[in-house]
Amino acid sequence: GAVVSQHPSWVICKSGTSVKIECRSLDFQATTMFWYRQFPKQSLMLMATSNEGSKATYEQGVEKDKFLINHASLTLSTLTVTSAHPEDSSFYICSAPGSGNPYNEQFFGPGTRLTVL
Amino acid sequence: QQPVQSPQAVILREGEDAVINCSSSKALYSVHWYRQKHGEAPVFLMILLKGGEQKGHEKISASFNEKKQQSSLYLTASQLSYSGTYFCGTATSGTYKYIFGTGTRLKVLA
Repeated sequence: GAVVSQHPSWVICKSGTSVKIECRSLDFQATTMFWYRQFPKQSLMLMATSNEGSKATYEQGVEKDKFLINHASLTLSTLTVTSAHPEDSSFYICSAPGSGNPYNEQFFGPGTRLTVL
Repeated sequence: QQPVQSPQAVILREGEDAVINCSSSKALYSVHWYRQKHGEAPVFLMILLKGGEQKGHEKISASFNEKKQQSSLYLTASQLSYSGTYFCGTATSGTYKYIFGTGTRLKVLA
């Protein structure tokens, strides 16, 4: 099956710094990728839909200026958490649909655990 | 709006059966089921597309009723390895985004 990687797998940073998370589709092209955030014992909440070559679509309540998404190529989307604060500590996961549309199987990255001190 | 799953949590003894339901307020094109272990990414179990299909492999099966906008996951003769949190993932008709249900925590005891 298709493989999606994420880097880093975990990161600890100080409050006020910015953190970049990469999501790569290794053996297929992904014009669309989805970014999720998961707090302990909660579901995965869709943050934004990343579209190659165009602006990301953010879900209601997600700050565009705080969570910057760049989908510069067909295999790479990045999420930058700017001026991170302790409340941004969470598990961030990306996914990409293997066939190019979300109705078919999603392939997930292994996730990135962000801890902001 | 996030699909609602029921029950929120269930505890089973090894060998017992369980049913997990996923209900959406919006029309669904497809439903996927995942199992997530603590600290890990979700693992894909199966996909059901429009057409009222049922699927299964080994002792896990699922059904999808698009008219009722509901799907159910059936776990039979549960094993310890079935423990985890189960999520339905849905793509609503006419939108281009993918969202998860509220989740069901399942624990299988020896």
